[in-house]
Amino acid sequence: GAVVSQHPSRVICKSGTSVKIECRSLDFQATTMFWYRQFPKKSLMLMATSNEGSKATYEQGVEKDKFLINHASLTLSTLTVTSAHPEDSSFYICSASQGTGGTGELFFGEGSRLTVL
Amino acid sequence: QKEVEQNSGPLSVPEGAIASLNCTYSDRGSQSFFWYRQYSGKSPELIMFIYSNGDKEDGRFTAQLNKASQYVSLLIRDSQPSDSATYLCAVKSGSWGKLQFGSGTQVVVTP
Repeated sequence: GAVVSQHPSRVICKSGTSVKIECRSLDFQATTMFWYRQFPKKSLMLMATSNEGSKATYEQGVEKDKFLINHASLTLSTLTVTSAHPEDSSFYICSASQGTGGTGELFFGEGSRLTVL
Repeated sequence: QKEVEQNSGPLSVPEGAIASLNCTYSDRGSQSFFWYRQYSGKSPELIMFIYSNGDKEDGRFTAQLNKASQYVSLLIRDSQPSDSATYLCAVKSGSWGKLQFGSGTQVVVTP
């Protein structure tokens, strides 16, 4: 399957700082990327849909000013958690789709575990 | 009502037995169905997908889809301890590839 790389895998930061997480599609062009958040023993919660060259579409209840998403190229999307607080500590996972057609399977990055002190 | 529902488990299965996981969905217009496996602390990995009614087999895994009853299942034959993980059912409804995930079923294969 296609390869999606996410970086960093783990990050610890102080409360009030901002953290950027990168998601790259390594062997295909991803017109659409998705950002998920997962709490321990819970399922994936879709945060936003990132489309190359346009604004991200956020799910209800997700603060777009807090979770900034930039999809500047067909192989890179970034999620910036601004002014992070302990409640933002979570496992953030990106995924990419190769296009709007086909079966639509998602390929996931390795995930980034954020801990805010 | 959740859009995609799964029994959270844990589902305890003896090694070598068949594990049977079920998933129901609410959107009749759903087009494609996916099973992902997620080990603790890791991101999900795709096991298989199915979009036509009936069975689809891939190695020890068989996915079954019944659109009329709006359920999809996953069978794991000859279960191994390495199959111990959480299995996520995902459903594609729209054209973006946007998937709705169930809460996952934890499978524990006991030696």
